[in-house]
Amino acid sequence: AQSVTQLGSHVSVSEGALVLLRCNYSSSVPPYLFWYVQYPNQGLQLLLKYTTGATLVKGINGFEAEFKKSETSFHLTKPSAHMSDAAEYFCAVRRGNSGGSNYKLTFGKGTLLTVNP
Amino acid sequence: NAGVTQTPKFQVLKTGQSMTLQCAQDMNHEYMSWYRQDPGMGLRLIHYSVGAGITDQGEVPNGYNVSRSTTEDFPLRLLSAAPSQTSVYFCASSSSRKAGNQPQHFGDGTRLSIL
Repeated sequence: AQSVTQLGSHVSVSEGALVLLRCNYSSSVPPYLFWYVQYPNQGLQLLLKYTTGATLVKGINGFEAEFKKSETSFHLTKPSAHMSDAAEYFCAVRRGNSGGSNYKLTFGKGTLLTVNP
Repeated sequence: NAGVTQTPKFQVLKTGQSMTLQCAQDMNHEYMSWYRQDPGMGLRLIHYSVGAGITDQGEVPNGYNVSRSTTEDFPLRLLSAAPSQTSVYFCASSSSRKAGNQPQHFGDGTRLSIL
């Protein structure tokens, strides 16, 4: 079984400050990890993903995340928050091997990011 | 390229009514899935399909049926709507069921209220 824990259902930062959204996962096999962003009244958009290779992954809109196997973490960061970053962010995990139900995504409960002027 | 299209965008039903939420994708994706999103619960998988004619249950399948007669379409049926099914429903698709590294593409959602 696999699971995702997002620490903090609501994170508030000032414009220009560092954004750090935390994600820890559990998986019995090497995972594929994803961050999605959801703007109000919209569907989910992929921010970035980790599958194999480099553990520091860069995504859209200046976000990046680092896969740390020893800490079972995949935290999302952005050096300087912008007002347009205000949204809900979801971390998700998928089994990283072939066969069976490897394509099923398990989502965390989400973190709502507020950016204050 | 429209991606994943969900209809309707909004719907209000009375308890006991039935309805079908439509989902279509034009990317020739093999894998399609339905999620429901509830406040503080994240997204929970209802049903999924790995190709035409193949469906399986997800985490919260009770009260919902699906079918996959074509690659493009994956409708979700509520047989007898209950207030507990008030939620936002998302359809998603992805390519290559042999490799889990492909991201899922999401529709814009259907906001369903059951009175």
